[in-house]
Amino acid sequence: GQNIDQPTEMTATEGAIVQINCTYQTSGFNGLFWYQQHAGEAPTFLSYNVLDGLEEKGRFSSFLSRSKGYSYLLLKELQMKDSASYLCAVTPLTGGFKTIFGAGTRLFVKA
Amino acid sequence: ETGVTQTPRHLVMGMTNKKSLKCEQHLGHNAMYWYKQSAKKPLELMFVYSLEERVENNSVPSRFSPECPNSSHLFLHLHTLQPEDSALYLCASSQDHGGNYGYTFGSGTRLTVV
Repeated sequence: GQNIDQPTEMTATEGAIVQINCTYQTSGFNGLFWYQQHAGEAPTFLSYNVLDGLEEKGRFSSFLSRSKGYSYLLLKELQMKDSASYLCAVTPLTGGFKTIFGAGTRLFVKA
Repeated sequence: ETGVTQTPRHLVMGMTNKKSLKCEQHLGHNAMYWYKQSAKKPLELMFVYSLEERVENNSVPSRFSPECPNSSHLFLHLHTLQPEDSALYLCASSQDHGGNYGYTFGSGTRLTVV
């Protein structure tokens, strides 16, 4: 089967760094996305990884290892507004439309 | 107005009611999607439309009926729902039906079936 695993919840302190892991097993691989979803709001695009390595975008970075079926989202200098759910999603096949989503990691940032 | 807009934001309906969810995108995207989001579960793909043609029907019960009259609008018609259908229903759009450029999501409709 195809599935994506990520932790259900994490808690971190304002100003700290947190790493949210994601592992996946899919039939083929086209790309991996991270989305942020605040409670009651739409998921919004954070990052997209196709090749192995680290993609940095401001306070957020995303890493991919295709051989290990593994990705992580790194959030630096945490702010209270970063409290949200973070969804890992994989598009398994080129031209396919069955993007698979993880259940999301709910991040709580405390003062 | 930009992005993906969904109405209504909240809906409470009885099991014998008929209602419709509406989604609208002004991004010029070619594909539109309906997803179901239940608590602590992954997003479940329900339907995909590419250039107004349905290309995916992911084993969804017939009490959910999609409609895509044009590339900017998508509806989900609901009838004789069950309490377990209570969830957040998200509409999304993408440039291609592969979702290879990521999705733009609407804020969702929170549906409660009583």
